[in-house]
Amino acid sequence: GENVEQHPSTLSVQEGDSAVIKCTYSDSASNYFPWYKQELGKRPQLIIDIRSNVGEKKDQRIAVTLNKTAKHFSLHITETQPEDSAVYFCAASDQAGTALIFGKGTTLSVSS
Amino acid sequence: DAGVTQSPTHLIKTRGQQVTLRCSPKSGHDTVSWYQQALGQEPQFIFQYYEEEERQRGNFPDRFSGHQFPNYSSELNVNALLLGDSALYLCASSLLFGGNLAGELFFGEGSRLTVL
Repeated sequence: GENVEQHPSTLSVQEGDSAVIKCTYSDSASNYFPWYKQELGKRPQLIIDIRSNVGEKKDQRIAVTLNKTAKHFSLHITETQPEDSAVYFCAASDQAGTALIFGKGTTLSVSS
Repeated sequence: DAGVTQSPTHLIKTRGQQVTLRCSPKSGHDTVSWYQQALGQEPQFIFQYYEEEERQRGNFPDRFSGHQFPNYSSELNVNALLLGDSALYLCASSLLFGGNLAGELFFGEGSRLTVL
């Protein structure tokens, strides 16, 4: 089945710096790659997603890139702010195309 | 527009007991999935319901069962509770199109289960 690996597990940056989180997946049939932000005690919230027919997607300070050949995708956050501090999860759709397999998460800390 | 609503928000049970968690999907969504998130871990897929049938199941034992009602709401039942079942149980709703996720998987705030 699908396996998603996420790095790094923790990331500390200064306010205004960029942050990059990387994920790899194993199943070439995966076609949907969302990124979720989860604050302490809250639900995971979708921040950006990308489908397999697209290489890059941007939404203001957040961008995601996908390399299907290498089976990896990355989250880029520019001009980080303290409110960006949270746990970020990448995910990939499973072979059936409907369940999500999550990476183990990255704890991002942005200090002012 | 209400998002995904789950109840109860918190509950405490003892080993061997049974629990039922409830979920109402986001308006317009017809598919409900359940995930288990242990403390400090990632969400793990339990199962998915569509058209009142279990459509897909993750690697969870038969103690975990569910149901979907005609109004698309869903229940998760866990029998013979173990200490390791302590977790945040997340319900997520979505639409399917052509057998694939169409749009966002929208999570509820979860039900926090503690097993003593």
